[in-house]
Amino acid sequence: RKEVEQDPGPFNVPEGATVAFNCTYSNSASQSFFWYRQDCRKEPKLLMSVYSSGNEDGRFTAQLNRASQYISLLIRDSKLSDSATYLCAGESGGGADGLTFGKGTHLIIQP
Amino acid sequence: EAGVTQFPSHSVIEKGQTVTLRCDPISGHDNLYWYRRVMGKEIKFLLHFVKESKQDESGMPNNRFLAERTGGTYSTLKVQPAELEDSGVYFCASSQWRARYEQYFGPGTRLTVT
Repeated sequence: RKEVEQDPGPFNVPEGATVAFNCTYSNSASQSFFWYRQDCRKEPKLLMSVYSSGNEDGRFTAQLNRASQYISLLIRDSKLSDSATYLCAGESGGGADGLTFGKGTHLIIQP
Repeated sequence: EAGVTQFPSHSVIEKGQTVTLRCDPISGHDNLYWYRRVMGKEIKFLLHFVKESKQDESGMPNNRFLAERTGGTYSTLKVQPAELEDSGVYFCASSQWRARYEQYFGPGTRLTVT
């Protein structure tokens, strides 16, 4: 089982809709998780940090479920500009400071 | 505030040649990381510096890769000699000491080995 797994999508969603996607992780030692947004041929940009149960920032809500070992990202009132690939990452644990990334979920917001 | 910068943005070299990538972290960020994304795969951690010290290089593929961060400012990643499988996008990221997991990425260097 991969350490961080994401549904690659694409998720095709009409503008204004709510969309949610999950990311599962296998390393139970990971304490901190992150959602990054990556536009085509650009660098990942930090979107949200998830340290405990959840985090909310405007239209974006991230939640962490430690029992089931998954993180979710909810986007409300989606905009065309939300179209991107969303990467889930967790701390590698065991004292290592690198992040372990999933392959990303591709989101397309349609007008 | 300036973000993480990387140079060059693209590099095309032949197998067996040497390439050196450079990363300038955000000013004041003690932590500096190198990652690589090979086509079709996820972004993978290569190594981590705290200031000028290597903290973790467990992700380095082999001894053809050498990273340095002299003086604790910018970092270089040298690949010598390059192999075809080294092709990919090399990202650098940096973070503050007290929030080391909140990492900010540079635009990456796209390396193609032919």
